[in-house]
Amino acid sequence: NAGVTQTPKFQVLKTGQSMTLQCAQDMNHEYMSWYRQDPGMGLRLIHYSVGAGITDQGEVPNGYNVSRSTTEDFPLRLLSAAPSQTSVYFCASSIIRDRPGEQYFGPGTRLTVT
Amino acid sequence: AQRVTQPEKLLSVFKGAPVELKCNYSYSGSPELFWYVQYSRQRLQLLLRHISRESIKGFTADLNKGETSFHLKKPFAQEEDSAMYYCALSGRKSRDSNYQLIWGAGTKLIIKP
Repeated sequence: NAGVTQTPKFQVLKTGQSMTLQCAQDMNHEYMSWYRQDPGMGLRLIHYSVGAGITDQGEVPNGYNVSRSTTEDFPLRLLSAAPSQTSVYFCASSIIRDRPGEQYFGPGTRLTVT
Repeated sequence: AQRVTQPEKLLSVFKGAPVELKCNYSYSGSPELFWYVQYSRQRLQLLLRHISRESIKGFTADLNKGETSFHLKKPFAQEEDSAMYYCALSGRKSRDSNYQLIWGAGTKLIIKP
């Protein structure tokens, strides 16, 4: 199993550009989530999904969209990139849909917005 | 408010010395607590969960409900323990919301030779 994969690993965007961060898992996990990691702030939940067709907002959803058309994939879209979205983005999945304590993480995407 | 606090951003100890990484939480229900670790250039991974009461890589953590703490301890630090450590709580922000992991800000542990 590849586990949780993310692409790209690095990305530089200009303010106002849009892009999609890809996330896939091959463990048949129902729960998937997107976090951003900023120095001194830990991980903050952007959006999450408890199954195909079901998504919900986390702590910092503004400026991001998600969809979950399949169990495997959970892409994160930046609608109009801003410098404040410079961060490291992690995708994670959990086998426990309702109480996702143990999460498996992807390698991360380092995004810089200039 | 539901919160996880890790008071130390950075902790530096010598090899062989004891290590204690502090974690305090605020949660109105019955918490489920975890420690995650991120080694340099590796992905974040689960280290411990309070329910299993196990020792992983020599680390233990006990949930103290009276002090609302879940400190991570190791009696003799090793250089390979150098990493970023995050404490996390599985809980709900409100009765109507789903369970999420609520994260502390993390502590960078450096083990000096």
